Amino acid sequence: AQTVTQSQPEMSVQEAETVTLSCTYDTSESDYYLFWYKQPPSRQMILVIRQEAYKQQNATENRFSVNFQKAAKSFSLKISDSQLGDAAMYFCAYGRFGNEKLTFGTGTRLTIIP
Amino acid sequence: DSGVTQTPKHLITATGQRVTLRCSPRSGDLSVYWYQQSLDQGLQFLIQYYNGEERAKGNILERFSAQQFPDLHSELNLSSLELGDSALYFCASSVSANTNYEQYFGPGTRLTVT
Repeated sequence: AQTVTQSQPEMSVQEAETVTLSCTYDTSESDYYLFWYKQPPSRQMILVIRQEAYKQQNATENRFSVNFQKAAKSFSLKISDSQLGDAAMYFCAYGRFGNEKLTFGTGTRLTIIP
Repeated sequence: DSGVTQTPKHLITATGQRVTLRCSPRSGDLSVYWYQQSLDQGLQFLIQYYNGEERAKGNILERFSAQQFPDLHSELNLSSLELGDSALYFCASSVSANTNYEQYFGPGTRLTVT
């Protein structure tokens, strides 16, 4: 069974600085997708970024980028120029190609220090 | 706003009772997923429907059931409720049946069992 591990329950960063959130996963599949979701205090789940495993290039979305290491099964999220609105729980998720469900990690709570 | 709606937003009920949670997917989305998020935990996949038919099942208790109606809205029925069923229940939708396509999450229904 696929598992997703987020080993940092909490992280904090100074406003305008850069922070990296870690995620590792376990799978025997070769085709899959990885996601980072943000859950602010409103509890809404917001897709931040996605990565297709067959793509070697790391995905980027404005200030958010990932470091995808397929061999190491690692998928970290880098947030540059952190803003107060980035404060949230961040969940890493795995989806197998052609499958239905997402498997989530336990989340990292990110605090932004003004 | 993801376009996925869930009602009610909050629900407080007693042990042993039965409740129904409702979800309307984004316009054009055929697939509906249900997830459970217990306090400070990641999301756990419960069940998926695609165009009216059950597509996949996760760790869903026998006391829980779901269905998707011809208009594509879905309902999650929770019966014989226990204290441990208190959680945030999310519905998500996607245009297709697998993770090739993003899942868009609704705002969730917070269930409190007393």
